[in-house]
Formats: sequence, structure tokens, C-alpha cells
Amino acid sequence: SQQGEEDPQALSIQEGENATMNCSYKTSINNLQWYRQNSGRGLVHLILIRSNEREKHSGRLRVTLDTSKKSSSLLITASRAADTASYFCATVARMDSSYKLIFGSGTRLLVRP
Amino acid sequence: DTGVSQNPRHKITKRGQNVTFRCDPISEHNRLYWYRQTLGQGPEFLTYFQNEAQLEKSRLLSDRFSAERPKGSFSTLEIQRTEQGDSAMYLCASSLIGESAFNEQFFGPGTRLTVL
Repeated sequence: SQQGEEDPQALSIQEGENATMNCSYKTSINNLQWYRQNSGRGLVHLILIRSNEREKHSGRLRVTLDTSKKSSSLLITASRAADTASYFCATVARMDSSYKLIFGSGTRLLVRP
Repeated sequence: DTGVSQNPRHKITKRGQNVTFRCDPISEHNRLYWYRQTLGQGPEFLTYFQNEAQLEKSRLLSDRFSAERPKGSFSTLEIQRTEQGDSAMYLCASSLIGESAFNEQFFGPGTRLTVL
């Protein structure tokens, strides 16, 4: 099964509202990353948070990490229609004696104008 | 444009044919990754290179799949005797080696493969 699982699978909000997406994982991690993917396109890196960090900000993005609960959240404040995309968390964890970057199945965000 | 590029963008082939995809990473990046993504799922790791050395291969990568990065610059991914189950988006990414085990990766636009 996937190392990272996002919740919810789909989210629809009005422009201007905040969007919160959650990610849970199973094993100890080196770091956790969030990516955005517009329909049919490649992924764009949003933010990386290391296992010894608890919170990070980048513009309208806020990421938290709780290693005791093995979970992370991505908050997008004051959403815009252009934020409509799929959002993936990816965990970097040591598996089978090497590090791997494993993606979850994503949250599909729709921001209605 | 100094981003990651992939060619072709789309490939339609018949079952049993061989296909080859190319990825040109960001020039100063020493790591290059290949992923496969099916509809509604996140990317699945296939393999990665550090310079010209292939350091890791996923168990998803059957013997029909082979990847090369001969001079530590561009990479090719070949699928032999394609099957309908190979239909997917094949994504390439590159990164620098840094403090974290895997740093921020820069993705290309992908090659969409359809096997008829």
C-alpha cells in the first residue's frame, strides 16, 4: 500500500476560502514534500519539510508535520481559481536499505470562481 | 527554456512493439528519476541515476524495461514488447544532491504512452 495517503481525495471550495489537505504515512521519514499537478502536466514542487521541522511557510502555503502522528497538512490560504490542481504528498523514507520517494494518491482541489 | 524536457510528449503504439522515451534534465542536476503515473494515482518510482550510475530500480520495473544515462546527461527509458498495462504517463525528474536524502525534484511534462 502507499506510504503516503492524502485526505480528502477531492475538495471543492469557493475562491477566497482556505483549503486544507492532510497526508498520513506509515514509516519514519527523512523529509516530506508536497507537489502540485495541473491536469495532464508534470508535477511542481511546492515545499519540503524535514523530519526535525514542525511547520513551514511559503507564500500562501503553510505545511505542518507531526512525526508522532505520522501526518502532515497543507494549508492554502485565500485560494484562487488558479490553485485548482491535484496535490500530492511524497515521503522520503528508508526502505530496503535505501531511500525512496513515495507519492500518495493525491487530493484533487477545485476552486470555484 | 532550462527546465526538464521529455520527448515525445505522446506515443501510441501497438502491443508487442518497442518504444523509447528521452529525458533531458536540468543541466547541472546530477540525479535523474523516472516515474510512471496512471490516471487518478500518484507517480510510482521506477528508477534513478546519480550521474551515469543507475542506483536504484523498483520491483515494478520488469525485465522489459531498461533505462540508461550514458554520459550522465540525458536519459532514455525503453520498454520492449509493450503490453496494454504499460499505458501510462511516464515522468522524468531531476535534482541536485543536497542535505536531504532526496531534495526538491523538477519534473518534465511527461510522455503519455498508449498501447493499443
